[in-house]
Amino acid sequence: GAGVSQSPSNKVTEKGKDVELRCDPISGHTALYWYRQSLGQGLEFLIYFQGNSAPDKSGLPSDRFSAERTGGSVSTLTIQRTQQEDSAVYLCASSFGLQWGALLSGANVLTFGAGSRLTVL
Amino acid sequence: AQSVSQHNHHVILSEAASLELGCNYSYGGTVNLFWYVQYPGQHLQLLLKYFSGDPLVKGIKGFEAEFIKSKFSFNLRKPSVQWSDTAEYFCAVNAGYGGATNKLIFGTGTLLAVQP
Repeated sequence: GAGVSQSPSNKVTEKGKDVELRCDPISGHTALYWYRQSLGQGLEFLIYFQGNSAPDKSGLPSDRFSAERTGGSVSTLTIQRTQQEDSAVYLCASSFGLQWGALLSGANVLTFGAGSRLTVL
Repeated sequence: AQSVSQHNHHVILSEAASLELGCNYSYGGTVNLFWYVQYPGQHLQLLLKYFSGDPLVKGIKGFEAEFIKSKFSFNLRKPSVQWSDTAEYFCAVNAGYGGATNKLIFGTGTLLAVQP
């Protein structure tokens, strides 16, 4: 697609429920990233995919958080047993990845989606 | 580990004032440096980037940033701000080509309010 698409744009859920957030990256982008944006906390890295594998998942805050990517395209971030502190905007970004970025522009430029705002009551 | 510090959390300026937002990073190797901007109600977008060459980089809308390696800094500047520059500004860094990680590390952001 023309941009990074995320759904839902807004999600309100009750504490303890599971939620799934979806990201559809730009066509041709092999790298995909999830970040979390909380008030006053900036952007917190969660996980990075290159193709379908996740070489860096160091930012996932707990084992309640997981993500997968299939077909080298769409990714789903799942939060199980949501807690109030999970409330945030979850941002997805995609890029050509370091190798192609270096060839094209010398830098790995991320393009962000509009985010999914999660509110846990 | 890489980290990014943005010293100014909130900045309020009048139109036509000059702007400088501080950004310092910690990483000893080759780095790529970025400034992203988030206008009210919009998603993050790239303002400018540095990966090699001239340490003074020009971005969109009259913004520029200077990479000073000895100071581990990448400060953002604009000579004369406009009301439309009201936004949140994020500095980011990642290890350069061949680095162990491909992710961007972001600062906590600076909220700029420009008064007409």
